[in-house]
Amino acid sequence: DAKTTQPPSMDCAEGRAANLPCNHSTISGNEYVYWYRQIHSQGPQYIIHGLKNNETNEMASLIITEDRKSSTLILPHATLRDTAVYYCIVKDSWGKLQFGAGTQVVVTP
Amino acid sequence: GAVVSQHPSRVICKSGTSVKIECRSLDFQATTMFWYRQFPKQSLMLMATSNEGSKATYEQGVEKDKFLINHASLTLSTLTVTSAHPEDSSFYICSARIEGSKNIQYFGAGTRLSVL
Repeated sequence: DAKTTQPPSMDCAEGRAANLPCNHSTISGNEYVYWYRQIHSQGPQYIIHGLKNNETNEMASLIITEDRKSSTLILPHATLRDTAVYYCIVKDSWGKLQFGAGTQVVVTP
Repeated sequence: GAVVSQHPSRVICKSGTSVKIECRSLDFQATTMFWYRQFPKQSLMLMATSNEGSKATYEQGVEKDKFLINHASLTLSTLTVTSAHPEDSSFYICSARIEGSKNIQYFGAGTRLSVL
């Protein structure tokens, strides 16, 4: 049973901000939200994670709603190299990362 | 981020042979590593959890006698695909978890296995 839902795909223009939504309405109080991305034929790359406060690092920003039922990953200035499948994950009851279908992001020139 | 090295990156073997894949955490110790498999146009599927010094735990439907996992040190886990068949051809990816408050998993680059 999926703990997160994401749109299957989205396009973004190079240089613009990409906002990737994720719903996790059944998240419990002590569960983190993790974001990874997978560029074609490579291993997943860790992006960012958060609990309830907004987070920012050199790759992206993570905005979590106050009720924690959804979040948005923001890539501030998308480049062609950001084309990838982006996964929003809440660990399962055993603490394991289970990947859903993710969002295929295509950055266009 | 932390570095996880996976070797080999690609292997081609004949049906019936065994293939060993190595996963190393290069700059941290990992008591727990994970093995995933990914078929074309599909998402990653967790196969098993590798625990240093103890037996691996396998996800439902994964044959433990076919996919042998050894985690003999805090920086190395191996996956051996025994008696490989064409249906085992897939992209195998390992990850290692940094213990502590963050519990972040870092992934290797993956191994493309082709069984002829």
